[in-house]
Amino acid sequence: LAKTTQPISMDSYEGQEVNITCSHNNIATNDYITWYQQFPSQGPRFIIQGYKTKVTNEVASLFIPADRKSSTLSLPRVSLSDTAVYYCLVGGDNAGNMLTFGGGTRLMVKP
Amino acid sequence: EAQVTQNPRYLITVTGKKLTVTCSQNMNHEYMSWYRQDPGLGLRQIYYSMNVEVTDKGDVPEGYKVSRKEKRNFPLILESPSPNQTSLYFCASSPFWGHGTQYFGPGTRLLVL
Repeated sequence: LAKTTQPISMDSYEGQEVNITCSHNNIATNDYITWYQQFPSQGPRFIIQGYKTKVTNEVASLFIPADRKSSTLSLPRVSLSDTAVYYCLVGGDNAGNMLTFGGGTRLMVKP
Repeated sequence: EAQVTQNPRYLITVTGKKLTVTCSQNMNHEYMSWYRQDPGLGLRQIYYSMNVEVTDKGDVPEGYKVSRKEKRNFPLILESPSPNQTSLYFCASSPFWGHGTQYFGPGTRLLVL
């Protein structure tokens, strides 16, 4: 079962780029890496997903090194509304494979 | 609108009084899960289901039951709630396991006295 480790919290300022790293040393071959964003009292919301190398969408980029033992979520030019908890999730498509969320990283964006 | 709904959104109950939290999705997803969220502990999976009549334990299944008689519904049952089950509960569904986006419901805040 792939366990993930993330920093508990991070601070940033508006307009800066934020990078949040997730460690998943025992990731399995068929596991994907997914990041979610959560605001207080709301359900998590999908941000981005990848398997290897780099993935980019309109919201974020995800960098995954060749060994896949870690991944980095990159948020370009954050704003106050990006203040939230960010979760790294590792899971595969084998039947019976549980999904495990990391502890989450609380990002505080300051003016 | 594609969504996951949960009911009730808020519930206060007493120890030992059986309760059910309903979850329904209208996206025809195969996979559904229940999570609980507690301060400092993040999201922990309680049970998950890969199809109708197929369910399995997650990280913290003790004290909970689930059923999946229909594809769209995945109720969470607390047969004899205890105060340590006071938490925020989320239901989620996904078209694929692992590498599929999970769609989360709005959450159910439960207080067990």
